[in-house]
Amino acid sequence: EAGVAQSPRYKIIEKRQSVAFWCNPISGHATLYWYQQILGQGPKLLIQFQNNGVVDDSQLPKDRFSAERLKGVDSTLKIQPAKLEDSAVYLCASSFGQFVATNEKLFFGSGTQLSVL
Amino acid sequence: SQQGEEDPQALSIQEGENATMNCSYKTSINNLQWYRQNSGRGLVHLILIRSNEREKHSGRLRVTLDTSKKSSSLLITASRAADTASYFCATVPYNQGGKLIFGQGTELSVKP
Repeated sequence: EAGVAQSPRYKIIEKRQSVAFWCNPISGHATLYWYQQILGQGPKLLIQFQNNGVVDDSQLPKDRFSAERLKGVDSTLKIQPAKLEDSAVYLCASSFGQFVATNEKLFFGSGTQLSVL
Repeated sequence: SQQGEEDPQALSIQEGENATMNCSYKTSINNLQWYRQNSGRGLVHLILIRSNEREKHSGRLRVTLDTSKKSSSLLITASRAADTASYFCATVPYNQGGKLIFGQGTELSVKP
């Protein structure tokens, strides 16, 4: 079974530039998550989709971050404009069912490491 | 917001020893999960324990859950150098839309 695919693996940009990350979840997984992981910290949920609808985006900085999941499969996360504090690893994850409350586990991609200079 | 707090933040042991990591959380939960993260990689699911369970085993892993104390522990027996990684607990709080919230993690180093 193919895992969660993410690209690019690394990205270096200057502040105020824009950047986009791509994620392809495991085939058949209804729920897709984007997490931000700052060095030395645990992952923080940015946005959760079920199919192509947003379930939770309460911690997404909407003035600069946007995400979409067209046709309920692939997803892109965009930052525009980037700030120094956005330097982090951006992790995409997927799960088969609707909610982890129903005891689903998450499958993670390898992440995109973003450095904002 | 981060719900879980893990203890210790870092742990260094010799191969063959047991490693114990603890996790405390603040609100009632549906379930608690443990994940491992090797350096520069994504997270890998290890084990899930439901709120009505007290203990679960998976190979060399043993997880306990005490909902009255809002705490969990992960025990890795007979550690190997390959167990070197960061370990995160994650909780699914009641009435928060089913999202998974991670703690800060414990960095485990197993020396050969």
